[in-house]
Amino acid sequence: GQSLEQPSEVTAVEGAIVQINCTYQTSGFYGLSWYQQHDGGAPTFLSYNALDGLEETGRFSSFLSRSDSYGYLLLQELQMKDSASYFCAANSNYQLIWGAGTKLIIKP
Amino acid sequence: GAVVSQHPSRVICKSGTSVKIECRSLDFQATTMFWYRQFPKKSLMLMATSNEGSKATYEQGVEKDKFLINHASLTLSTLTVTSAHPEDSSFYICSARAPTSGTLSYNEQFFGPGTRLTVL
Repeated sequence: GQSLEQPSEVTAVEGAIVQINCTYQTSGFYGLSWYQQHDGGAPTFLSYNALDGLEETGRFSSFLSRSDSYGYLLLQELQMKDSASYFCAANSNYQLIWGAGTKLIIKP
Repeated sequence: GAVVSQHPSRVICKSGTSVKIECRSLDFQATTMFWYRQFPKKSLMLMATSNEGSKATYEQGVEKDKFLINHASLTLSTLTVTSAHPEDSSFYICSARAPTSGTLSYNEQFFGPGTRLTVL
């Protein structure tokens, strides 16, 4: 079957760096996306990796290794507003296959 | 760019009534839209893929007669929850695939703000 695994919860301190890992098992894999969702809101797109390597967008970076079926989202200089759930999603056959989400808790 | 609106944002209805949710792509044409359902603190569950001018493709376990999807134009898809029951209460989110250059490797989706349905 198709599945993505990511930790259910991660806790970090304001100003620190945190990495959220994602492993996937899908067919027809084209790339890995990351979305952020605040409580009560809709997901917003953060990044997309189609090729191996690191993509950097401001404080957020995302990494993909196709050979390891693995990716991660790196958040730097954490701010309280980064407290949210983060979903990895595999782009597969024109659909997104979603992970269960990682709740990021940031402490002052 | 790539803004998706969803209406209504919240709806409370009585059991047995039908509720229509609209999803619009405001500044781009979306040949494909997706409808998701999300329970509290859970991931998004894809309900169906809506293609303009054709029948929607429903995921396994989703009742197509209960969740009617119509994608009548390139900017509008509607989801109608028919004969709603309390167990249909949920957060419904639509998304539209971003305009692409035709490459198969790009599949970014833009999400509407969601509709919180409460069935009494």
